[in-house]
Amino acid sequence: KAGVTQTPRYLIKTRGQQVTLSCSPISGHRSVSWYQQTPGQGLQFLFEYFSETQRNKGNFPGRFSGRQFSNSRSEMNVSTLELGDSALYLCASSYRDEAFFGQGTRLTVV
Amino acid sequence: GENVEQHPSTLSVQEGDSAVIKCTYSDSASNYFPWYKQELGKRPQLIIDIRSNVGEKKDQRIAVTLNKTAKHFSLHITETQPEDSAVYFCAGEGGYQKVTFGTGTKLQVIP
Repeated sequence: KAGVTQTPRYLIKTRGQQVTLSCSPISGHRSVSWYQQTPGQGLQFLFEYFSETQRNKGNFPGRFSGRQFSNSRSEMNVSTLELGDSALYLCASSYRDEAFFGQGTRLTVV
Repeated sequence: GENVEQHPSTLSVQEGDSAVIKCTYSDSASNYFPWYKQELGKRPQLIIDIRSNVGEKKDQRIAVTLNKTAKHFSLHITETQPEDSAVYFCAGEGGYQKVTFGTGTKLQVIP
């Protein structure tokens, strides 16, 4: 069974640009969550999608948005990038309780 | 919403000693508490979890205890080995299956 796949693995963007990250969950998993990981801040919850609907949302500005498609694949978009957005972005898919994480996308904003 | 606090942020132990990581949560409706281990450069992976109807769960050298009254739960690792070195995250799952993670504990096992 294929794991959670995130693309791209690495990304370098300039301040003010926008970026789209992709996450393909494990087959059969309908829930996809996104997290931002920075040193010292742990895993900050961004949002969760379930059956194409945003079910939960963290405390991030509106520049961070996401969506989920009918095949459960999810995308996260960050507009007007800031230096502070540099982080590892992890997505996790789940069927019930256990979250299975992808390898993450390392975003660097310069 | 749920707030999960985790302590300590770093922990160094000698190989063979025990390690204990503690977490507290705020939402009394939370009923599922997983622990994840993240090795350097790798993704977090579930190592053990506990539900609110259980006070303790053990899996070989790792165990988790839950005190619902005090709203805290702990991870215990016995006979630590160098491969236990990693960052450990606790989490609480409350309403609408929203999972809130702690800030992580960097465990270093000194050979």
